Amino acid sequence: KQEVTQIPAALSVPEGENLVLNCSFTDSAIYNLQWFRQDPGKGLTSLLLIQSSQREQTSGRLNASLDKSSGRSTLYIAASQPGDSATYLCAVRGSGAGGTSYGKLTFGQGTILTVHP
Amino acid sequence: NAGVTQTPKFRVLKTGQSMTLLCAQDMNHEYMYWYRQDPGMGLRLIHYSVGEGTTAKGEVPDGYNVSRLKKQNFLLGLESAAPSQTSVYFCASSYPTRGAVTFSGANVLTFGAGSRLTVL
Repeated sequence: KQEVTQIPAALSVPEGENLVLNCSFTDSAIYNLQWFRQDPGKGLTSLLLIQSSQREQTSGRLNASLDKSSGRSTLYIAASQPGDSATYLCAVRGSGAGGTSYGKLTFGQGTILTVHP
Repeated sequence: NAGVTQTPKFRVLKTGQSMTLLCAQDMNHEYMYWYRQDPGMGLRLIHYSVGEGTTAKGEVPDGYNVSRLKKQNFLLGLESAAPSQTSVYFCASSYPTRGAVTFSGANVLTFGAGSRLTVL
């Protein structure tokens, strides 16, 4: 059974710091890994998706890396801003049966990030 | 560009009552999902659908039923609500990958804003 763990559970940093959020998963047979952002009382917004064949993806100040063999992904946020305050979740998708793209998506518990001015 | 729309946003039920949550997407996505989010439990998949007319059980399907009569709609039903079903429910949709072809946006989940359900 796939298990996804995110460390730390909560993080509070001053504005401007570079920070790293960690995600680990127990089964390396994944199809892809996705990072989401969730604002209080809102749905999830997809930030980055890394296919299993890729090593990293970048979007603006965000960079996500994937080391499938060791079961780890990191989300790097550069020059953090108060607007980055949210819960960040990672989710891994297992490989589907018969080579299909659908496999179970397993979420981590999330990291609650607070960036204070 | 509505994306994924969930209705209702809030609902309070009494134990034993029934209700239906509606999810509608306007992106022509084939895959649709229902998740529940509970404190300390993360998001758990209830049911999903890989196309119109098809549904499948997820991780926590008991007490729920679903239907996908139209491609754009995915309904989640509670036949006899229980306090354990108090939760925030999220609908999501995505494109699948076609065989070996991966195109931009494939597999990226788009979520609705959530429906907060309280069962007394």
